[in-house]
Formats: sequence, structure tokens, C-alpha cells
Amino acid sequence: EIVLTQSPTTMAASPGEKVTLTCRASSSVSYMHWYQQRSGASPKLWIYETSKLASGVPNRFSGSGSGTSYSLTINSMETEDAATYYCQQGSSYPYTFGAGTKLELK
Amino acid sequence: EVQLVESGGGLVQPGRSLKLSCAASGFTFSNYYMAWVRQAPKKGLEWVATISTSGSRTYYPDSVKGRFTISRDNAKSSLYLQMNSLKSEDTATYYCARHSPFNYWGQGVMVTVSS
Repeated sequence: EIVLTQSPTTMAASPGEKVTLTCRASSSVSYMHWYQQRSGASPKLWIYETSKLASGVPNRFSGSGSGTSYSLTINSMETEDAATYYCQQGSSYPYTFGAGTKLELK
Repeated sequence: EVQLVESGGGLVQPGRSLKLSCAASGFTFSNYYMAWVRQAPKKGLEWVATISTSGSRTYYPDSVKGRFTISRDNAKSSLYLQMNSLKSEDTATYYCARHSPFNYWGQGVMVTVSS
């Protein structure tokens, strides 16, 4: 099973601040997906295949990485970006998710 | 518009069974792999099961293998999850999701396993 480790677990960012969330895999994966989950809501696909933005995702978001190290970056934090972000690998079964990074507004 | 609507959740005693359903609309259901993903209270996401377009192939993590069965009825655009021998650790919100990646999710249905 591929274990995904996200860091940090929790962080707070001010409006306009650049934010980088990290996801590390215990074995190499072909790509990474990212999901955003706001409090009380279902998760939403946010970034797929490492760097492709899902429909409706603002272009201040970007994704990058390869092998065992992946990241999600917000170029300039906005209020609506406060949420929990999960990474997920779909390269091999069992599919696994990271434990999530809770991003709060400072 | 893609819609996934789960039903069938509730309170069930340990060791008993429960069957969840997911009604899909807004897309050609038979063309997509489908999955169940769960989230225990205040916890992260856990993939539970995946089924191929025809239903001939199914995939599970070890945590539910042998206890849970995913199935589908393409004529009814419906997805199912039969959960047997339920344990307290199966308590979670269960989401129906379209593959792949999981680009559409339902609103979720709560399953509580408790005596």
C-alpha cells in the first residue's frame, strides 16, 4: 500500500500570502490528485493528474511534482481558499488518500 | 448536470448488515467506473470500493475485503454497497463517487454502527 504523508497538518495564511502544501508518497506514483473539502461539504476534485485544474478552480492554484513528491500551491491566498486539502494516488490499488492539510485564514 | 444521490444509511448494530444505494443522473452511467469513499467523523477520506463499467471487476482495500460488496445496475443507473459484519470502525459518511479521478461526489450518507 502506498502511504501518502501530507504536510503541514494545519496552517494559517493571510490574504495575499503564497501557500504551498506538500504530499509525499512512500513509493513512486505516476501522478497525484488533490481534493478540497470545506466544512460540512462533500469533497471536490481540485487538481488532477498532478497539475491540471478541475473545472471552476481559480488559476491562482497550481500543482506540481513527480515520483514521490508533490505539491499544491496557492499564489495568493483568498478567504474562500480556507478548507482541508487531500492528496490521493490512483496509480495502484488500494487507492489511498493523505490525512489532509487544514488551511485556515489568518 | 451530474448528480449522485446516496441513500440507505442509518444506525445499525455491530455484526449486522446494511445496503447503501446511489442514484446517478446527468451522465451515461454505464460508461464510468464508480466508487465508494468514506469519511469517519472528524477524520480523513478512505477509499472503500471500485467497480468497473460492466461490474465484472471490483476492487477493495483490506479493511473491507470479504465484508463489503460493490455492485451496479446500469439499466437503473444505480450503484450499491452491501455491507456485512459491520464494525464500530465502519461508522462514517459514505460517498458515492464517479471515477477517475473522483471528479463527482454525492452528498454522502451517514452510517453509524453502535449497540
